[in-house]
Amino acid sequence: KAGVTQTPRYLIKTRGQQVTLSCSPISGHRSVSWYQQTPGQGLQFLFEYFSETQRNKGNFPGRFSGRQFSNSRSEMNVSTLELGDSALYLCASSGAGVTYNEQFFGPGTRLTVL
Amino acid sequence: SQQGEEDPQALSIQEGENATMNCSYKTSINNLQWYRQNSGRGLVHLILIRSNEREKHSGRLRVTLDTSKKSSSLLITASRAADTASYFCATDRSSNTGKLIFGQGTTLQVKP
Repeated sequence: KAGVTQTPRYLIKTRGQQVTLSCSPISGHRSVSWYQQTPGQGLQFLFEYFSETQRNKGNFPGRFSGRQFSNSRSEMNVSTLELGDSALYLCASSGAGVTYNEQFFGPGTRLTVL
Repeated sequence: SQQGEEDPQALSIQEGENATMNCSYKTSINNLQWYRQNSGRGLVHLILIRSNEREKHSGRLRVTLDTSKKSSSLLITASRAADTASYFCATDRSSNTGKLIFGQGTTLQVKP
């Protein structure tokens, strides 16, 4: 099976702009989670989508949003970018069954906000 | 907020030696997982241990879990230069959630 893919891999934006990141999960996986990784805060959970519904949400401002499509692909959007949004954004997918919570991560999107 | 703390934050060893990393967490858990990350790339899943398990092996990896102490350890035996990476523990509180809480990680350097 193909792994989790994320596009784009690198992105440079300026403050005030908005950005959309995309994640394609492993075929058959219905859960997609998003994480932000920064040197200061480490890996932090943003939100999780399952069957097109947001099931869990982390402690991030409303500028961070996401959605999931019927084919389980997910996008996350950050509006009104701030310098502190510079980070590696990782998505992970997981499937149902015994190893439900075993998450498989994509390579990440490196976002730089200038 | 981070669920776990990892110890040590950094570890440097020679090839062939064993590496032990520890993780402590704060609340009850459903599972605990260990991940590896090479130089700011995606995370690679190493091993998952359930809350009712005490020890698990996978190749050169050995994970223990002590729920009474809310701690886990990852042992890498006969380390190789290719094991150089950051290692993270992650916990979840329910089987019906895709939310993992990560520790701060241990940076392992294996010198050839």
